[in-house]
Amino acid sequence: DVKVTQSSRYLVKRTGEKVFLECVQDMDHENMFWYRQDPGLGLRLIYFSYDVKMKEKGDIPEGYSVSREKKERFSLILESASTNQTSMYLCASSPGDYYGYTFGSGTRLTVV
Amino acid sequence: GENVEQHPSTLSVQEGDSAVIKCTYSDSASNYFPWYKQELGKRPQLIIDIRSNVGEKKDQRIAVTLNKTAKHFSLHITETQPEDSAVYFCAASPRSGGSYIPTFGRGTSLIVHP
Repeated sequence: DVKVTQSSRYLVKRTGEKVFLECVQDMDHENMFWYRQDPGLGLRLIYFSYDVKMKEKGDIPEGYSVSREKKERFSLILESASTNQTSMYLCASSPGDYYGYTFGSGTRLTVV
Repeated sequence: GENVEQHPSTLSVQEGDSAVIKCTYSDSASNYFPWYKQELGKRPQLIIDIRSNVGEKKDQRIAVTLNKTAKHFSLHITETQPEDSAVYFCAASPRSGGSYIPTFGRGTSLIVHP
């Protein structure tokens, strides 16, 4: 069974802090994704990566960056956290096109 | 880019009834359509998917239909049970760069009353 693990389930950070959200998958998937989930807005794509050291912007990349130094790990970075980044963050991976995602359990981030 | 509309936003049914959730998409290049179920407090999980060369796909009580001409697809759940209560998301996948990146609908909250 594919496993996608997010390092923190709940996180509280202060405005202006640099925040790292970590995601690790154990099934050698090529593609990895970061989404944020907000009530009524569904799942919005922040960044994705289809190879090591490759990254592409999604629909809402502003205020975020990513890092993929190893195939199994995809990190989301909030350079300077703001209150409007309070959200549920979901990491996902997939083996390629025409395959569904496996999601992590999510990190609920609160910025105060 | 792709735009996916999902309706209804909330659906309330009695146990044993059928439930239908509909999605429309805008990009005719989309050719992969997954559906996810997210129970309260849990991660979204893929429940069924369909590719554009297929018009219908079934898996026990759930089925998905696709009308490429009209650019809409639907999730059908028959004989609903309380454990079907969840938020359901549809998605449509056009090509972006080198990969097919799905755009999600906003979700449908399905409530099945015992």
